[in-house]
Amino acid sequence: GAGVSQSPSNKVTEKGKDVELRCDPISGHTALYWYRQSLGQGLEFLIYFQGNSAPDKSGLPSDRFSAERTGGSVSTLTIQRTQQEDSAVYLCASSFDMRSDRRVFGSGTRLTVV
Amino acid sequence: AQSVTQLGSHVSVSEGALVLLRCNYSSSVPPYLFWYVQYPNQGLQLLLKYTSAATLVKGINGFEAEFKKSETSFHLTKPSAHMSDAAEYFCALNYGGSQGNLIFGKGTKLSVKP
Repeated sequence: GAGVSQSPSNKVTEKGKDVELRCDPISGHTALYWYRQSLGQGLEFLIYFQGNSAPDKSGLPSDRFSAERTGGSVSTLTIQRTQQEDSAVYLCASSFDMRSDRRVFGSGTRLTVV
Repeated sequence: AQSVTQLGSHVSVSEGALVLLRCNYSSSVPPYLFWYVQYPNQGLQLLLKYTSAATLVKGINGFEAEFKKSETSFHLTKPSAHMSDAAEYFCALNYGGSQGNLIFGKGTKLSVKP
């Protein structure tokens, strides 16, 4: 597609439920990143994938968070047993390579845990 | 440790006035620095970047920023604000050269009054 597509755009879930957030990167982009944007906290790096290499999971805040990228394309971020502090906008970005100035961001998924 | 500090979570200017959004950084190695803009319900767009070439960099929409090593600053300016400039602006740092992660500031929300 023309841009990075994220779905759903909004998600409201009950505390304790699992959620899956999807990111469809730009075709041909080998690098894919997940960030979390919390109110007043800026953007927090979560995880990135580069081609077939093992992902850098250093930013995941707890073992309730996981992500996978199937076939080097679509990525799914899963949050298990959601907590209220997980409420945030989750942004995905992709790039042709690792250069920071080439990252294209999606419009995000706004997650609200009630 | 590397960090980015944006002074002022909210800045309000009148249409036609100077826009100045402040960003200071801390890095033990020469950084790459970026400014991103986020319009409501959209992803981040790259405004401009500093990658150790010219210290004064010009970006899209009339914005520019000057890298000042002695002040560890990378402030964003625009001579004359437009209503369409109202958005949230993020300063970011990449200390790993072209590789690695972006460290974002907490963002500054710019309001433009008619």
